[in-house]
Amino acid sequence: GENVEQHPSTLSVQEGDSAVIKCTYSDSASNYFPWYKQELGKGPQLIIDIRSNVGEKKDQRIAVTLNKTAKHFSLHITETQPEDSAVYFCAASMGSGGSNYKLTFGKGTLLTVNP
Amino acid sequence: EAGVTQFPSHSVIEKGQTVTLRCDPISGHDNLYWYRRVMGKEIKFLLHFVKESKQDESGMPNNRFLAERTGGTYSTLKVQPAELEDSGVYFCASSQGHSWYEAFFGQGTRLTVV
Repeated sequence: GENVEQHPSTLSVQEGDSAVIKCTYSDSASNYFPWYKQELGKGPQLIIDIRSNVGEKKDQRIAVTLNKTAKHFSLHITETQPEDSAVYFCAASMGSGGSNYKLTFGKGTLLTVNP
Repeated sequence: EAGVTQFPSHSVIEKGQTVTLRCDPISGHDNLYWYRRVMGKEIKFLLHFVKESKQDESGMPNNRFLAERTGGTYSTLKVQPAELEDSGVYFCASSQGHSWYEAFFGQGTRLTVV
């Protein structure tokens, strides 16, 4: 089955700096890659996603890049703010129907943005 | 619009007892998923319902876990009898039938077995 590795497990940055979180996946059939942000006491919230036919996607301060050849994708947060502090999860899915809807998650990255 | 709602938010039970977790998906969402995060590890898939039918239950740990989705609305996940290793946070998520990509998660139920 699919395996997703996520690095780093913890990341501490100064406010205003950029943060990058990287993930690799094992199954070349995966074609959908969402990123979730989980704040304390809340469930994971989708912040951005990318599909295999796209190499990069941006949404304000957040961007995701995908390299299908190398089977890795990354989350980039620019101009970090204290409210960006949370656990971030990457995930992968084959998304072709039936049981392939399920998400395989990385272990998460605890991002701390210091004021 | 109400999001995915899970009950209870916390549950502490003794080993050998039974616990039932409930999930109310977003209205109209055909797909409902259960996931679990054991401390320090990744969020792992348990099972997937399409309406009232189990589409994929390959992630269910063993036969002590039973999931149901009566009438294709809310879902329950029963653990009987609970073991120490069942402790963790159980998440429910739902997505629409035609836009399955975006799965919305509930806040989770933190289960502690002592």
